[in-house]
Amino acid sequence: KAGVTQTPRYLIKTRGQQVTLSCSPISGHRSVSWYQQTPGQGLQFLFEYFSETQRNKGNFPGRFSGRQFSNSRSEMNVSTLELGDSALYLCASSLVDSMNTEAFFGQGTRLTVV
Amino acid sequence: SQQGEEDPQALSIQEGENATMNCSYKTSINNLQWYRQNSGRGLVHLILIRSNEREKHSGRLRVTLDTSKKSSSLLITASRAADTASYFCATVGPDNYGQNFVFGPGTRLSVLP
Repeated sequence: KAGVTQTPRYLIKTRGQQVTLSCSPISGHRSVSWYQQTPGQGLQFLFEYFSETQRNKGNFPGRFSGRQFSNSRSEMNVSTLELGDSALYLCASSLVDSMNTEAFFGQGTRLTVV
Repeated sequence: SQQGEEDPQALSIQEGENATMNCSYKTSINNLQWYRQNSGRGLVHLILIRSNEREKHSGRLRVTLDTSKKSSSLLITASRAADTASYFCATVGPDNYGQNFVFGPGTRLSVLP
């Protein structure tokens, strides 16, 4: 069974540009969450999608947005990139609609903003 | 902001020794999970303990949860070089329906051969 796939693995963008990251969850998983990981702030929750609806949202500015498609694949978009957006962006998927299940993480997309 | 703290921030031990990592959190939880991360890659789920459980085992892992102290510990017995990684605790609050974890800052474990 294929794991969570994130593309691309690495990205270099210039300040002011926008970027779209993609996440394909494990087959059958309907919940997809996104996290940002930086050395200074650690792992922070961005948002979660379930059945194409944003169910939870973290404390990030509106420049960060996402969506989920009918096949559960998800994308996140960051507009007007800032240097501080440089981070490892992790996507996680879960099997069931419950709080008591584990999450399966992808390998992440490392974004560098120059 | 992160909910809790892990200590120690870094731990270095010899192969065969036990490693203990602690996690504290601030609000009530539904469950607490431990994850491992190798060298800035994806996280791997290790174990989940529910708020009504006090101890759980999985292979060489032992997790305890003390909800009165809002703390948890992860014990790795007979450590191996392959256990070298960062370990994170993650909590899910009782009012949060979904996979929106609050992670601690992590403990970086180095197991020396």
